[in-house]
Amino acid sequence: KNEVEQSPQNLTAQEGEFITINCSYSVGISALHWLQQHPGGGIVSLFMLSSGKKKHGRLIATINIQEKHSSLHITASHPRDSAVYICAVLPLWKGSQGNLIFGKGTKLSVKP
Amino acid sequence: AAGVIQSPRHLIKEKRETATLKCYPIPRHDTVYWYQQGPGQDPQFLISFYEKMQSDKGSIPDRFSAQQFSDYHSELNMSSLELGDSALYFCASSLRPPLAGITYEQYFGPGTRLTVT
Repeated sequence: KNEVEQSPQNLTAQEGEFITINCSYSVGISALHWLQQHPGGGIVSLFMLSSGKKKHGRLIATINIQEKHSSLHITASHPRDSAVYICAVLPLWKGSQGNLIFGKGTKLSVKP
Repeated sequence: AAGVIQSPRHLIKEKRETATLKCYPIPRHDTVYWYQQGPGQDPQFLISFYEKMQSDKGSIPDRFSAQQFSDYHSELNMSSLELGDSALYFCASSLRPPLAGITYEQYFGPGTRLTVT
């Protein structure tokens, strides 16, 4: 079983829809990252969370440390949001800095 | 703002050849991580450096070696290349937190796409 599980694996939405991507993890963590990877391959960091909720534009990320679960929400989705969204965690046993463990990603396609 | 720079962006090599990938971290970042992402796979950690010393090691083959230089840039050297080494290689950089309990974000480079034929 992977330490970081994401759902769904694939998601198709219509432009304007509200989107939720979920991430569950089985290890204690220092932080959780949400990353975006476009077809060209480059990875962009969207959020780093250790508690609560963060918002940036149309993106909202929440985390529940007790339940070992995080969600990434996209409001008013747009075709340019089409990408792979990856959840990655920094395990607690790595301390406050170390390599990330990645989920397998959620491929989002937003249709106009 | 300056980002993480990787070179080359694309590299084509034949089996058994060698390759060198370079990573230039964000200015003042002292920690570099290397990750390998095979086709359709999630990134896997290879190796990391802090202040020019190896700080952690993941699933890096013995055929690969890496180092971090005095200007904090890092190079990943890959020898006896195999078809299975074809992948996207990312580096990420961050600052080392001065205190335990503080976590700094990792910033990713655009990746080097290595194709071994």
